Amino acid sequence: GDSVTQMEGPVTLSEEACLTINCTYTATGYPSLFWYVQYPGEGLQLLLKATKADDKGSNKGFEATYRKETTSFHLEKGSVQVSDSAVYFCALSPHGQNFVFGPGTRLSVLP
Amino acid sequence: NAGVTQTPKFRVLKTGQSMTLLCAQDMNHEYMYWYRQDPGMGLRLIHYSVGEGTTAKGEVPDGYNVSRLKKQNFLLGLESAAPSQTSVYFCASSLRTEYYTEAFFGQGTRLTVV
Repeated sequence: GDSVTQMEGPVTLSEEACLTINCTYTATGYPSLFWYVQYPGEGLQLLLKATKADDKGSNKGFEATYRKETTSFHLEKGSVQVSDSAVYFCALSPHGQNFVFGPGTRLSVLP
Repeated sequence: NAGVTQTPKFRVLKTGQSMTLLCAQDMNHEYMYWYRQDPGMGLRLIHYSVGEGTTAKGEVPDGYNVSRLKKQNFLLGLESAAPSQTSVYFCASSLRTEYYTEAFFGQGTRLTVV
């Protein structure tokens, strides 16, 4: 079945450091890909998305590119802030009828 | 501007008790989902619904039942709670499209079964 694998962390970085969270997926067809973010005590919020190969999603300085050849959707940010501390989930949706999530990566950014 | 609303936000149950979690969305979404979130496991789908009056099993349906009598509401029931059902439960909804859709989440319900 469809699945998502991502580095589980936790990841601890200093403010202004570069961030990469790896995400790879297994799916039939051409799923849509997402990164969701969960701040402490809150639900998941959509961070960015990509719907077809080579699409780049971006938001709040975060980027991820849909790489069909490597079945990957790595999350990157050039300079993290303390306010970016959260849990990040990679997810896929095969045909908009369901969502499959990775285990989540906890990011802590230290001042 | 409510989006997806879950009630209650916190609950403690004794083993064997029953309860119902309510999810309400005001975005006229066709699809609704119940997930549970456990440490290191990410979100796992319990049940979902693709429209009023329809429900389907997800990855971990045992011990749970659901109903979707109205389009805007999706209820998750625990008939006889067990400690293994201690978790954070999230409801989500999405729009039915032929292209892509994103899921909108509620704030979660933290359930402890003792």
